[in-house]
Amino acid sequence: DAGVIQSPRHEVTEMGQEVTLRCKPISGHNSLFWYRQTMMRGLELLIYFNNNVPIDDSGMPEDRFSAKMPNASFSTLKIQPSEPRDSAVYFCASLTGGSREQYFGPGTRLTVT
Amino acid sequence: DAKTTQPPSMDCAEGRAANLPCNHSTISGNEYVYWYRQIHSQGPQYIIHGLKNNETNEMASLIITEDRKSSTLILPHATLRDTAVYYCIVRVPSGGRGSTLGRLYFGRGTQLTVWP
Repeated sequence: DAGVIQSPRHEVTEMGQEVTLRCKPISGHNSLFWYRQTMMRGLELLIYFNNNVPIDDSGMPEDRFSAKMPNASFSTLKIQPSEPRDSAVYFCASLTGGSREQYFGPGTRLTVT
Repeated sequence: DAKTTQPPSMDCAEGRAANLPCNHSTISGNEYVYWYRQIHSQGPQYIIHGLKNNETNEMASLIITEDRKSSTLILPHATLRDTAVYYCIVRVPSGGRGSTLGRLYFGRGTQLTVWP
């Protein structure tokens, strides 16, 4: 299995631009999570889906952030417009209902200048 | 989910056992203890979990005190590649009563440095 796949691995953009991060969960996993990691705040959960339905988006910082999961094999996290304070590493993780461990992707390092 | 307390940093000589402590004095009866680690620039990686019995797998051992208020992760023969931040998390497992569908709350963890 290829594991959780995230793209791009690195993204540099200018303030005000739209940014889209992508995630492909492990096949057969029915829960998907988006995390953000910064030095200041550590690793924090933004949103998670179960069976493609958003369950809890209380961690999404503001309306500039949105996430979708149109099918079981793909999810996006969009930031529009982006700001320098959004610079962070964004991780996607997936989980199957019978498992107790989350599998994390390699992350996308976002830099907003 | 219960809060955990871990030392911010520890070090260990290569080949020696690394013992990482975690306090979780407010843990409830149905909450498991999970350990994850994060090697620099990578995503977190699951290590082990347990409820009340000690557990062992190919990566580590988990010792949980009888009152379940603390636990210790043991890496029996630490290598340089074990240098990472180790996170102790307590939560109800996915699908269990009161489940939050796998939601994990990461604290600051312990930075373990293994030196040659």
